Amino acid sequence: QVQLVQSGAEVKKSGSSVKVSCKASGGSFNSFAFSWVRQAPGQGLEWMGGILPMFGTPNYAQKFHGRVTIIADGSTRTVDMELSSLTSEDTAVYYCASRVERSTGLVFWGQGTLVTVSS
Amino acid sequence: DIQMTQSPSTLSASVGDRVTITCRASQSIDNWLAWYQQKPGKAPELLISKASTLQTGVPSSFSGSGSGTEFTLTISSLQPDDFATYHCQQYNVYPWTFGQGTKVEV
Repeated sequence: QVQLVQSGAEVKKSGSSVKVSCKASGGSFNSFAFSWVRQAPGQGLEWMGGILPMFGTPNYAQKFHGRVTIIADGSTRTVDMELSSLTSEDTAVYYCASRVERSTGLVFWGQGTLVTVSS
Repeated sequence: DIQMTQSPSTLSASVGDRVTITCRASQSIDNWLAWYQQKPGKAPELLISKASTLQTGVPSSFSGSGSGTEFTLTISSLQPDDFATYHCQQYNVYPWTFGQGTKVEV
């Protein structure tokens, strides 16, 4: 049974950075494709980027290019997402999600991590 | 980026109703479309992949259809547990994009 467990809630100042971690248990880590999806309060879902650990090269949404970094570490079975130059508009719940088969949507989801950015 | 537009944004319904949600893509995505259900304070759950393939364990009252740019999610008989927000998502090309969500309420 695949499970994704994310790091805890964060409170950050404007202009700083945040790193959210996602640890995968179960399954073959290198067979997963991971994505990070965020949801601002009362808003819809927004895909930020993703990575295939087997290849290591991430894909980022243009909106976040230059501010987001996604790294996968097979030795710890962890995928990290770091977002820099935070503003109040980055206040959101950040989800780690994954799939195994290319034909499916995002099957497995973490519990979500609330990041609050204050001035 | 491909824009995904859902309608309606909010849908008022009763238990037993047949409910249909529409998702339109700004360009063809073949059938690379997923539907998710999300309840307050919870992570989304995958219902349907490839426009019409039900995820294991999803009730058969849910169905999806469409290809190209127009897709629908249908709940044949709404149950109390189905009151939630539904999101469509295209995964044909990067960046993946979501619709704005449809809240199904009493």
